[in-house]
Amino acid sequence: DAGVTQSPTHLIKTRGQQVTLRCSPKSGHDTVSWYQQALGQGPQFIFQYYEEEERQRGNFPDRFSGHQFPNYSSELNVNALLLGDSALYLCASSLLQGEETQYFGPGTRLLVL
Amino acid sequence: DQQVKQNSPSLSVQEGRISILNCDYTNSMFDYFLWYKKYPAEGPTFLISISSIKDKNEDGRFTVFLNKSAKHLSLHIVPSQPGDSAVYFCAANSGGSNYKLTFGKGTLLTVNP
Repeated sequence: DAGVTQSPTHLIKTRGQQVTLRCSPKSGHDTVSWYQQALGQGPQFIFQYYEEEERQRGNFPDRFSGHQFPNYSSELNVNALLLGDSALYLCASSLLQGEETQYFGPGTRLLVL
Repeated sequence: DQQVKQNSPSLSVQEGRISILNCDYTNSMFDYFLWYKKYPAEGPTFLISISSIKDKNEDGRFTVFLNKSAKHLSLHIVPSQPGDSAVYFCAANSGGSNYKLTFGKGTLLTVNP
């Protein structure tokens, strides 16, 4: 049973560029959440997708957008990258109607130069 | 404004002894609390959770205690093993396990052989 997978594992971009990160949820899960973890900090909630719609959103600017596909996989897009966007981006999946908690993928390490 | 606080950045214990990790929260709306463990280059792994209707939950070597009046929870690991060495994150949410998680900054636990 595959867990949550994310791609790519590492990415280097320059300021002003755009980036797309990808996530495949754990088998049987229908909800995907994205978190940003800056160095020395805990993960911070960006947004959550369910049934291809944004269900909840944290305090992140509109430069951060997402998408969920019919197969429940998800993308996180960040436009006009800033140096401060350098972080580990974590995807978590869960079952909306289930009692289980959120399961995390290994993350994508983004470095903005 | 940090709603979940882990005031000890690090903790060192001897193998076989008890590890106690602490967490405080300020948001009275939180009703579900979780502990995650994170190794380098991996995503957070769910350890144990507790609902606000309980004051204790136990799973093998791991026990979480919740003191609602003090807005404080703690994770006890007995006996501690070298493989427990990792960063431990306290997280909380309201409305159910699928809602956005608010994390503390984490505590680095080192268990010495």
